Amino acid sequence: SQTIHQWPATLVQPVGSPLSLECTVEGTSNPNLYWYRQAAGRGLQLLFYSVGIGQISSEVPQNLSASRPQDRQFILSSKKLLLSDSGFYLCAWSRTLFNQPQHFGDGTRLSIL
Amino acid sequence: QKEVEQNSGPLSVPEGAIASLNCTYSDRGSQSFFWYRQYSGKSPELIMFIYSNGDKEDGRFTAQLNKASQYVSLLIRDSQPSDSATYLCAVTGDTGGFKTIFGAGTRLFVKA
Repeated sequence: SQTIHQWPATLVQPVGSPLSLECTVEGTSNPNLYWYRQAAGRGLQLLFYSVGIGQISSEVPQNLSASRPQDRQFILSSKKLLLSDSGFYLCAWSRTLFNQPQHFGDGTRLSIL
Repeated sequence: QKEVEQNSGPLSVPEGAIASLNCTYSDRGSQSFFWYRQYSGKSPELIMFIYSNGDKEDGRFTAQLNKASQYVSLLIRDSQPSDSATYLCAVTGDTGGFKTIFGAGTRLFVKA
């Protein structure tokens, strides 16, 4: 069966500090991968998605970036965090980009001080 | 702007009743429809998906799709306090290209 791992579970960072969140998927190959952010009491905002190694599509012009160095690894980064970057970050995978459900990791709750 | 609309709630139902959650979407070309359950502080969990007009049943859950009305619903029979959560409607296909658009969710409270 497929599993998705996301870490860390919680993170408290000062404004201006860098960020690196990691996500890995097991039990499948060539998954589509996604990063979402969910602000408190709000819906899911798609940040990035990837259909293969090194292929990243950005949905929002933020100070965030994503990378996919291996088939089942997806990394979300920032060089300098802003207060507005606080939120619940979710990694997800799906078998294909079209018409297939996405499955989420446990998420990272990020607080910026 | 492709949209998925849900009543934010809270929707409150007594234990044992039927909970009815509704969702409308703007893109008539949408092809896939999903319902996720999200407990407070947790990540969304897929509970149902439906691709064709009509009803699809899975245990206590029934998803209903009406593409002509651009409407999808989730019925929860014999609601339990453990069903108390936020339910997210998600739509994909032509909506926004090859991406899934999520509604903001409906909060459901099941009273014991």
